[in-house]
Amino acid sequence: GQQLNQSPQSMFIQEGEDVSMNCTSSSIFNTWLWYKQEPGEGPVLLIALYKAGELTSNGRLTAQFGITRKDSFLNISASIPSDVGIYFCAGQLGPGMHSGYALNFGKGTSLLVTP
Amino acid sequence: DVKVTQSSRYLVKRTGEKVFLECVQDMDHENMFWYRQDPGLGLRLIYFSYDVKMKEKGDIPEGYSVSREKKERFSLILESASTNQTSMYLCASSSPQGFGYGYTFGSGTRLTVV
Repeated sequence: GQQLNQSPQSMFIQEGEDVSMNCTSSSIFNTWLWYKQEPGEGPVLLIALYKAGELTSNGRLTAQFGITRKDSFLNISASIPSDVGIYFCAGQLGPGMHSGYALNFGKGTSLLVTP
Repeated sequence: DVKVTQSSRYLVKRTGEKVFLECVQDMDHENMFWYRQDPGLGLRLIYFSYDVKMKEKGDIPEGYSVSREKKERFSLILESASTNQTSMYLCASSSPQGFGYGYTFGSGTRLTVV
């Protein structure tokens, strides 16, 4: 599988600030997903994107599927302390091959929010 | 609430031991996956299975094997544990019908090999 390039690697921000992170790939994907992992837990799905150019929101979170299908970004507005965690992007190729169901992950963005 | 359950949260094993990590899902999912997570390296796919008794190698299968005798259970086996296999291991499942909805992950097993 392909490792995605996710940046930044870590962010240390104050409560109330907006956050932006992004993910790029040298290959196209048919689905982009964003996960959050809290300490001691497995990743949990935040947002899924299915179409190039798609912009999707989930509360204070907004994500976009890049028009080239090779990138995606996630924005968090007005951050709060419970936003702390590691955020992962993931790309999925699609059906047609069993390996198409496997997710390719970025290395994660570690977010720390101070009150 | 649907779940992926990993049998142990923490394990400490000795070098050379045979180690079994168990994962059970209650969602009747066809696909199951094993990842390892290391700081700075993200999640790397070890093996996955798309049906009972079927398995495919991921990106880092060396030193590992898997077993899927029943649809709900996917086991990761470290044939002879080594210190470089100290890591967080994450199991996940998904359904082909739910393609694009990603995975459901377990809470992870933190394995230390001494």
